[in-house]
Amino acid sequence: GDSVTQMEGPVTLSEEAFLTINCTYTATGYPSLFWYVQYPGEGLQLLLKATKADDKGSNKGFEATYRKETTSFHLEKGSVQVSDSAVYFCALSLYGGSQGNLIFGKGTKLSVKP
Amino acid sequence: DAEITQSPRHKITETGRQVTLACHQTWNHNNMFWYRQDLGHGLRLIHYSYGVHDTNKGEVSDGYSVSRSNTEDLPLTLESAASSQTSVYFCASSEIGANTEAFFGQGTRLTVV
Repeated sequence: GDSVTQMEGPVTLSEEAFLTINCTYTATGYPSLFWYVQYPGEGLQLLLKATKADDKGSNKGFEATYRKETTSFHLEKGSVQVSDSAVYFCALSLYGGSQGNLIFGKGTKLSVKP
Repeated sequence: DAEITQSPRHKITETGRQVTLACHQTWNHNNMFWYRQDLGHGLRLIHYSYGVHDTNKGEVSDGYSVSRSNTEDLPLTLESAASSQTSVYFCASSEIGANTEAFFGQGTRLTVV
């Protein structure tokens, strides 16, 4: 079935370090891909998205490129800040019968130390 | 501003009791969803609705039910609460379409004792 696999955490980095969180997917159709972020005690909020192959989503210094050939959507940021500490979820959504239903990875907790 | 709100934020209940979690959105979205979040599992879909009077089962629907009598509300009912249903529950809503943003409530932490 359709699924999302992302790297296990937690990930601990020093401020200004480079961040990569790997995400790969399995889908029978043509998914849209998303990264959501959850700050402590809050619900999830959209960080970025890409709707077709080779699209790059970007927001707040984060970016991810939709790679159909490797079925991947890795999240990157060149210089993390303490305020980026959160749980990051990769997700996909399929067209057709399940429009709008999000399938999530298990989440990766990021802690950034000063 | 449009928003999506869940109530209560925290709930403790006893095994076997019926519990209803409320979700209310003012986005006028057709799609509404209920997820549960558990360590090691991420978010898993419980039930979803694409419009008034439409409801569908998700990945982990056993023991849960929903009803959609208007656009704004999708209450989640645990028919007979079990300890395995201790979790954090998130409601979300979105426009129709696979590439639209989902907006999440702040969650309800439910403990079944």
